[in-house]
Amino acid sequence: GQQLNQSPQSMFIQEGEDVSMNCTSSSIFNTWLWYKQDPGEGPVLLIALYKAGELTSNGRLTAQFGITRKDSFLNISASIPSDVGIYFCAGNSNSGYALNFGKGTSLLVTP
Amino acid sequence: DAGVTQSPTHLIKTRGQQVTLRCSPKSGHDTVSWYQQALGQGPQFIFQYYEEEERQRGNFPDRFSGHQFPNYSSELNVNALLLGDSALYLCASSPGTLWDGYTFGSGTRLTVV
Repeated sequence: GQQLNQSPQSMFIQEGEDVSMNCTSSSIFNTWLWYKQDPGEGPVLLIALYKAGELTSNGRLTAQFGITRKDSFLNISASIPSDVGIYFCAGNSNSGYALNFGKGTSLLVTP
Repeated sequence: DAGVTQSPTHLIKTRGQQVTLRCSPKSGHDTVSWYQQALGQGPQFIFQYYEEEERQRGNFPDRFSGHQFPNYSSELNVNALLLGDSALYLCASSPGTLWDGYTFGSGTRLTVV
């Protein structure tokens, strides 16, 4: 499948700080998804994006579908300790039914 | 309403053995996809089942096979296990191709020794 480059690989921040992470692809995607995975659990969908330029919020989370359709970013505002986990971007190119995932961004939040 | 249920949660097998993993989709979901997640990596697509047929396959060898039953539940079989098959195997179910409803189970942790 297509390679997704996700950055940064890890982040260590203080509670209350804002966080930004992004994902780029060498191919065009028609759907971008952001997931959070806690230890021992499966990924949980945070935000789904379906249109280039789309900006969508879910509480303190905001994600955007890049205009080129080859990138997306996720922002978390006013981080709290329960934001700790691994965040994955995933994309689908509409040429099939598979989701292609990035390698994840590990987020640690200190009180 | 139960979500996606996978069994077993953990499994240890010896190289060369065969393993079967099971998945019960979320109620109302008719499509099941399987992913392999190695330690420190994102999930990788193995295949998807819809109407009891394999609809798409990722870049995995024929040792990986699957099945979907009339009640939409699914099995993943891996033959001739290799050490490199050690991973978290995730099942995701969805109502058709709606990404909003694409729900993952907690996975089966397979260790091959």
